[in-house]
Amino acid sequence: DIQMTQSPSSLSASIGDRVTITCRANQSISNYLNWYQQNPGKPPKVLMFGASNLQSGVPSRFSGSGSGTDFTLTINSLQPEDFATYYCQQSYNTPWTFGQGTKVEIK
Amino acid sequence: QLQLQESGPGLVKPSETLSLTCSVSGGSIGDNSYYWGWIRQPPGKRLEFIGTVFSSGNTYYTPSLETRLTISVDTSKNEFSLNLSSVTAADTAVYFCARLYSDSRNFYSYYYMDVWGKGTTVTVSS
Repeated sequence: DIQMTQSPSSLSASIGDRVTITCRANQSISNYLNWYQQNPGKPPKVLMFGASNLQSGVPSRFSGSGSGTDFTLTINSLQPEDFATYYCQQSYNTPWTFGQGTKVEIK
Repeated sequence: QLQLQESGPGLVKPSETLSLTCSVSGGSIGDNSYYWGWIRQPPGKRLEFIGTVFSSGNTYYTPSLETRLTISVDTSKNEFSLNLSSVTAADTAVYFCARLYSDSRNFYSYYYMDVWGKGTTVTVSS
């Protein structure tokens, strides 16, 4: 199985901050990388697919980049509704696997 | 608007079979356009992909679970199901069903879960 590792596991930020979350795969996954946002007690919501493609309806302050093994999710000008846990997920090889999550908390 | 809803027992005894159903509304499983999947999230742990089913009945099972797992589809009821046998406490989790969407661009086909059920908590305990 492909191992996905996110960093940091948690971070504290303020409204308006720029936040960057990193996801690393233990082998190349090209750009088959998705990002999800999850709020407590809710299902995940897809933000990005194919590493850098914004899902329809997702605010443009979210952006993604990377290819191969290293990827980033950036949130420009953090908003109150962005405080959540973020997961990366590879769809390059089955079984699809997720990172351990990055919790974005209010500073 | 497509909606998915999981249903099934919230408590299952060790060694028994966990059975869940995902009911689909606002769209037809039988339109042969999508894969449908199950994902789970143990308490405090990362999401784990369980498997998928197509309207034809073709399935994919994650290797770590495939000896205990059956995923099936009933297009007449517009639902798909998960059966996991010989459960242990390690199978305690929130179970989600989801639609797998494929976006094709620039010669790539990207798969991701775009519509999710709300999730159902399953506890394995005697």
